[in-house]
Amino acid sequence: NFMLTQPHSVSESPGKTVTISCTGSSGSLANNYVQWYQQRPGSAPTTVIYEDNQRPSGVPDRFSGSVDSSSTSASLIISGLKTEDEADYYCQSYDGSNVLFGGGTKLTVL
Amino acid sequence: QITLKESGPTLVKPKQTLTLTCTFSGFSLSSSGVGVGWIRQPPGKALEWLALIYWDDDKRYSPSLKSRLTITKDTSKNEVVLTMTNMDPVDIGTYYCARRVPTAHQPWFDPWGQGTLVTVSS
Repeated sequence: NFMLTQPHSVSESPGKTVTISCTGSSGSLANNYVQWYQQRPGSAPTTVIYEDNQRPSGVPDRFSGSVDSSSTSASLIISGLKTEDEADYYCQSYDGSNVLFGGGTKLTVL
Repeated sequence: QITLKESGPTLVKPKQTLTLTCTFSGFSLSSSGVGVGWIRQPPGKALEWLALIYWDDDKRYSPSLKSRLTITKDTSKNEVVLTMTNMDPVDIGTYYCARRVPTAHQPWFDPWGQGTLVTVSS
């Protein structure tokens, strides 16, 4: 079964840059787009990155996405961290039949 | 403006069947590429995809829950219904519906409903 693995938590200071990884268990994300959702406490998820590196309108350009050259993992990069970025972040992909979510990463901005 | 809203019981008893309705506006489930999915989230835990129905009535289910789930649509009412049989306390959580982005090459969801919390207890 294809699975997506994320670090449980990351923390960084305001103004810094943080990277959250999402690793595919089958080794390759080459044929599978990755999305990233932000979920603040008590709220529904919202999209911050879709199709690996596309940013929806309204999402600040401090948010970016990438897939590594070997296509084994995807990353969400948030630069110029703000306290409002503190949230849970989930990666999501598709294995041809099933939608998959990563386990989520809690970002603390302190 | 696209909106989705989940409705259904907040409390079900063990072994009962849960029926949730997603009522949406701002898009049509008869348009090519459109879909509506259900995703749940136990308290303090990760998102888990449950099911997805497409405009052409194609249906996809989470393999681990497939035997318990049924997803249907009523295009005229702009509704998608999810039923889950044999409810257990491990099924406690917030259940979300979300639109499958129609132009996407692969399924992803935007926007999401506000979610509805379901508790399972006798």
